[in-house]
Amino acid sequence: AQSVTQLGSHVSVSEGALVLLRCNYSSSVPPYLFWYVQYPNQGLQLLLKYTTGATLVKGINGFEAEFKKSETSFHLTKPSAHMSDAAEYFCAVSFTGNQFYFGTGTSLTVIP
Amino acid sequence: EAQVTQNPRYLITVTGKKLTVTCSQNMNHEYMSWYRQDPGLGLRQIYYSMNVEVTDKGDVPEGYKVSRKEKRNFPLILESPSPNQTSLYFCASGMLFSSYNSPLHFGNGTRLTVT
Repeated sequence: AQSVTQLGSHVSVSEGALVLLRCNYSSSVPPYLFWYVQYPNQGLQLLLKYTTGATLVKGINGFEAEFKKSETSFHLTKPSAHMSDAAEYFCAVSFTGNQFYFGTGTSLTVIP
Repeated sequence: EAQVTQNPRYLITVTGKKLTVTCSQNMNHEYMSWYRQDPGLGLRQIYYSMNVEVTDKGDVPEGYKVSRKEKRNFPLILESPSPNQTSLYFCASGMLFSSYNSPLHFGNGTRLTVT
């Protein structure tokens, strides 16, 4: 079965510290990969998307994601956390373009 | 402004009373979809549509209906709501045929409570 797994439903970091949110997919064929962010009482917003051929993808608000085919991973990072980064983050994959599979989400808390 | 509009934002109803959640997009997207979000389960797809009059089941379609009579609208219908359909619902739209890595655009959600 094709799926996406996010390790860690809750992550806490100190302001200014590295943010690392993990995402692994299970498929023999590399899918199309996305990270979305959800702020309280809002819908999901696109942070970044994987583009074929690139291993490091840059997104908005200083976030990046590295695609590692050998590890079937697409982890999200940000060098220095800001208070405004506190939100829920979802990794998503699409294999066919008509169905998108979302991870269970990681809630990021930033400690002042 | 490009957007996906869902209404209502909040809805409280009783078991068995039919309801409709509307969704409209102004981006001329072919693809539209409904998701429900539950704690610990992430987003699960209910139904999706690849064009007018073309709809298909997602992972959790039981108890829901949809229609796509116009490109911009994709209402979600609960004919006989039950308490297990209490959830946060999101409508999303996207371009379909231009690229498979076209992202989805989401509405702000509808929080439904069925008592």
